[in-house]
Amino acid sequence: EPEVTQTPSHQVTQMGQEVILRCVPISNHLYFYWYRQILGQKVEFLVSFYNNEISEKSEIFDDQFSVERPDGSNFTLKIRSTKLEDSAMYFCASSEGLRGYGYTFGSGTRLTVV
Amino acid sequence: KNEVEQSPQNLTAQEGEFITINCSYSVGISALHWLQQHPGGGIVSLFMLSSGKKKHGRLIATINIQEKHSSLHITASHPRDSAVYICAVRRDDKIIFGKGTRLHILP
Repeated sequence: EPEVTQTPSHQVTQMGQEVILRCVPISNHLYFYWYRQILGQKVEFLVSFYNNEISEKSEIFDDQFSVERPDGSNFTLKIRSTKLEDSAMYFCASSEGLRGYGYTFGSGTRLTVV
Repeated sequence: KNEVEQSPQNLTAQEGEFITINCSYSVGISALHWLQQHPGGGIVSLFMLSSGKKKHGRLIATINIQEKHSSLHITASHPRDSAVYICAVRRDDKIIFGKGTRLHILP
């Protein structure tokens, strides 16, 4: 069964440092997403990406965040200057299409900002 | 007000019991997802529904588009079903998540 792969599974970083979270979506999928879940809270949408550009983003996704598909396989989320409140589980997901298509989620990256 | 509401928030049941988790939403959607999140944090997609009913093993999901309501049922529940079950609705190009229902099945 095809999988969405995320690396690393856990990252600890100092406040103010830049982090890059990596995802390898399923190869024939065209829509890519990042979500986050702060401990004890619900999963929140961050950003969707299609055709090499952001198609929608939430109010959480401010100038500190950016996404990129640097090659044909990777999809990255960069946080420029991490804050303590960025500590969360970050999930990548991909989908083959919009209507009528399901999502496949990665297993997540737990980011801890100290 | 949350756009996606789940009930109950927490549910403890004995092994073998029939489980129902409910989800109501207030926005127009193109699809509804039921997801399972285990203690390790990983999310698994169980169902995607846009109408009617779907069954997979002991899991059944139904949706009533007119009433903006969906249910997830687990028959013959087992301790390994213990997890957080999340209802999420797809609206345009994003998903809105419910807060989840924490299910604990006792042996």
